[in-house]
Amino acid sequence: AQSVSQHNHHVILSEAASLELGCNYSYGGTVNLFWYVQYPGQHLQLLLKYFSGDPLVKGIKGFEAEFIKSKFSFNLRKPSVQWSDTAEYFCAVNGNNRLAFGKGNQVVVIP
Amino acid sequence: GAVVSQHPSWVICKSGTSVKIECRSLDFQATTMFWYRQFPKQSLMLMATSNEGSKATYEQGVEKDKFLINHASLTLSTLTVTSAHPEDSSFYICSARDMGPQRTGELFFGEGSRLTVL
Repeated sequence: AQSVSQHNHHVILSEAASLELGCNYSYGGTVNLFWYVQYPGQHLQLLLKYFSGDPLVKGIKGFEAEFIKSKFSFNLRKPSVQWSDTAEYFCAVNGNNRLAFGKGNQVVVIP
Repeated sequence: GAVVSQHPSWVICKSGTSVKIECRSLDFQATTMFWYRQFPKQSLMLMATSNEGSKATYEQGVEKDKFLINHASLTLSTLTVTSAHPEDSSFYICSARDMGPQRTGELFFGEGSRLTVL
């Protein structure tokens, strides 16, 4: 079964700072990769996904992620965060018809 | 996007009772729904895959007699926590995959149901 690792569970940064959240997975087969976000008091929602093609994926709200197959990574980035980006971010990997989630990153953006 | 709704959003029950949580896909049909459990400050743990018209597929370590899943229609799956105990207190989230022509199998999540067992 695949596993997903997210480091630095708590991230605190100021507005306009750049954000990068790491995601590594362990699964040797074909994978689909996702980043989900959960804003306070709201559902999980999809930020972006990678199925195939260009490994640099652009999502909503200025987020992007890069799939590096050789590193089994799918890191999430945003060049300049806003206070409204305060949320929990989950990386998920779908392999062998199972979706596994990482433990999440709690991101707090200070105005 | 597609909408998945869970009910109830919060339930408190006494130890030993059973609790049913509903998961509905409101504007699409879902042959497959997934049930997750989330402990505080931890990730979502897949409990089972609910298949319309057939038995659910449980993940290793999840008691199928404890967590009964029924997927009677293309828009409704239910999770029943039987003889609930305090250690069953958790946040339960369902999701459904929209396999319509405009989608690529994206998962949509319900708002979650918080169960507190006294």
